[in-house]
Amino acid sequence: NAGVTQTPKFQVLKTGQSMTLQCAQDMNHEYMSWYRQDPGMGLRLIHYSVGAGITDQGEVPNGYNVSRSTTEDFPLRLLSAAPSQTSVYFCASSYDRVSYEQYFGPGTRLTVT
Amino acid sequence: AQSVTQLGSHVSVSEGALVLLRCNYSSSVPPYLFWYVQYPNQGLQLLLKYTTGATLVKGINGFEAEFKKSETSFHLTKPSAHMSDAAEYFCAVSPVLMQGAQKLVFGQGTRLTINP
Repeated sequence: NAGVTQTPKFQVLKTGQSMTLQCAQDMNHEYMSWYRQDPGMGLRLIHYSVGAGITDQGEVPNGYNVSRSTTEDFPLRLLSAAPSQTSVYFCASSYDRVSYEQYFGPGTRLTVT
Repeated sequence: AQSVTQLGSHVSVSEGALVLLRCNYSSSVPPYLFWYVQYPNQGLQLLLKYTTGATLVKGINGFEAEFKKSETSFHLTKPSAHMSDAAEYFCAVSPVLMQGAQKLVFGQGTRLTINP
């Protein structure tokens, strides 16, 4: 299993540009989520999904869109990038509703100039 | 709303010394509790978790943590630090939600440095 994969690893955008961060998992996990990591703030939940076709907002959803058309994929879209969205983005997935262990991808480092 | 406070953004210990990373949480009900580790330029890896049962939980790499409900704490310890333990450590809580939704709330992180 590849686990949770994210592409790209690095990205530089200009203010106002749009892009999609890709996330995929091959573990047949129901639950997937996106976090952003900023210095001194830990990780904050952006959006999450409990299954294909079902998404919901997390703590910091503004400026981001998600969809979940398949179990495997959970892309994160930035419609109009802003410097405040400069961050490291992590995708995570989970299957076990007893242990609640989440598996994290390697991250995407995004810079918006 | 739940929150997590990690006391000390940076902790430095000597190799072979005790490691103690502090975590306190606020929650109206006992949550699930986690410690994750992040090595440089990598994603997060689960160290250990508390859900129910025994309050002293053991994790990977010799780490353990004790859930103390009366103190709303979940401190992480390791008896003897190793150079390979240098990383950033995150405490996280998750309410017991229905439908499998797992809204992890993370602390700010503690960077652990090991001195030779």
